[in-house]
Amino acid sequence: KAGVTQTPRYLIKTRGQQVTLSCSPISGHRSVSWYQQTPGQGLQFLFEYFSETQRNKGNFPGRFSGRQFSNSRSEMNVSTLELGDSALYLCASSFENEQFFGPGTRLTVL
Amino acid sequence: TQLLEQSPQFLSIQEGENLTVYCNSSSVFSSLQWYRQEPGEGPVLLVTVVTGGEVKKLKRLTFQFGDARKDSSLHITAAQPGDTGLYLCAGGPNAGKSTFGDGTTLTVKP
Repeated sequence: KAGVTQTPRYLIKTRGQQVTLSCSPISGHRSVSWYQQTPGQGLQFLFEYFSETQRNKGNFPGRFSGRQFSNSRSEMNVSTLELGDSALYLCASSFENEQFFGPGTRLTVL
Repeated sequence: TQLLEQSPQFLSIQEGENLTVYCNSSSVFSSLQWYRQEPGEGPVLLVTVVTGGEVKKLKRLTFQFGDARKDSSLHITAAQPGDTGLYLCAGGPNAGKSTFGDGTTLTVKP
């Protein structure tokens, strides 16, 4: 089975812009989660989608949003980018009690 | 909010030495996962422990889940340079909404 894929792998944006990241889960996995990883805060949960519905949400501002499509692929969007949004954004797909991560998208905000 | 504390934060050892990494919480977890992450990549799932007191072995790695399901440990025997990386423990109400520890950065010197 192919693993979790994320596109793009690297992205450079400027403050105030918006960005959309994409994630394709492992075939058959209906749960897709997004995490933000920074050196100072570690890995923090953003949100989880299951069957096109947001099932859980972390403590991030409304500028962070996501969606899931009928084929389980997911996108997350960050609007009005801030310097502090620079991070590695990780997508993971889950089945039962196991979670598998993609390689991440490295976002740099200038 | 369920919190996970990992110790030590950094560990630098010589090849061939043994080491133990700890993951502790005041909360009970239905399961805990251990991951290894290399720079610029997503975490790779090593193991999931579910039953209190459970011990799982993966080659030179031994994982233990505390009897009360509040803590876990990872023991590496005869560490090798290839074991170098960031080790993360994680748990949550379901795999798709995980709380992560801050991680243990392991460096194994040849």
